[in-house]
Amino acid sequence: DSGVTQTPKHLITATGQRVTLRCSPRSGDLSVYWYQQSLDQGLQFLIQYYNGEERAKGNILERFSAQQFPDLHSELNLSSLELGDSALYFCASSVMYHPDTQYFGPGTRLTVL
Amino acid sequence: AQTVTQSQPEMSVQEAETVTLSCTYDTSESDYYLFWYKQPPSRQMILVIRQEAYKQQNATENRFSVNFQKAAKSFSLKISDSQLGDAAMYFCAYRGTSGGSNYKLTFGKGTLLTVNP
Repeated sequence: DSGVTQTPKHLITATGQRVTLRCSPRSGDLSVYWYQQSLDQGLQFLIQYYNGEERAKGNILERFSAQQFPDLHSELNLSSLELGDSALYFCASSVMYHPDTQYFGPGTRLTVL
Repeated sequence: AQTVTQSQPEMSVQEAETVTLSCTYDTSESDYYLFWYKQPPSRQMILVIRQEAYKQQNATENRFSVNFQKAAKSFSLKISDSQLGDAAMYFCAYRGTSGGSNYKLTFGKGTLLTVNP
């Protein structure tokens, strides 16, 4: 158990809908990262937050957004969902934003029908 | 942009034997970090081992060790005394220390390891 928690574990929804994925980092970790794992794109970095502030953006679609709250938990919002958004979404956390080991949560499996 | 290449989509090993998974990467940075993550059927991403590029000594964690060749930009993972529980997808990952690469992990496409009893 990495200490990073993600909810829900599974999510099934329809095209055009909006969902929110939640992540709680390890105790003491200030940085949260979101990754998407799909069959065709592999594991891709989406976005990073550090202590409530956005630090870096990767291949995140405009339909997706994220935030980190004062208690350091983070939410990834996915809207206007398309079939291609079906994937495993991971949250990872690390102590700082410096090159530091990232510990991954169990992931949220999103299925868009 | 940094890239990570795992040239072996699948590998198999007999239980108790040794197997080596290959990884190469491309970067213009001199300081960076390399990781191997394991993803078993549960889909959890588990850190196996980490290597700092400024360290010449190869990292080891119990039965797992790496062969880090900085000049060749090669970072292979050796699993000794393979166990059934080692069966998983293994991902090599790179993390830089400057500019936009500082924050994210760049992953290879993975090597699926099968352990035969």
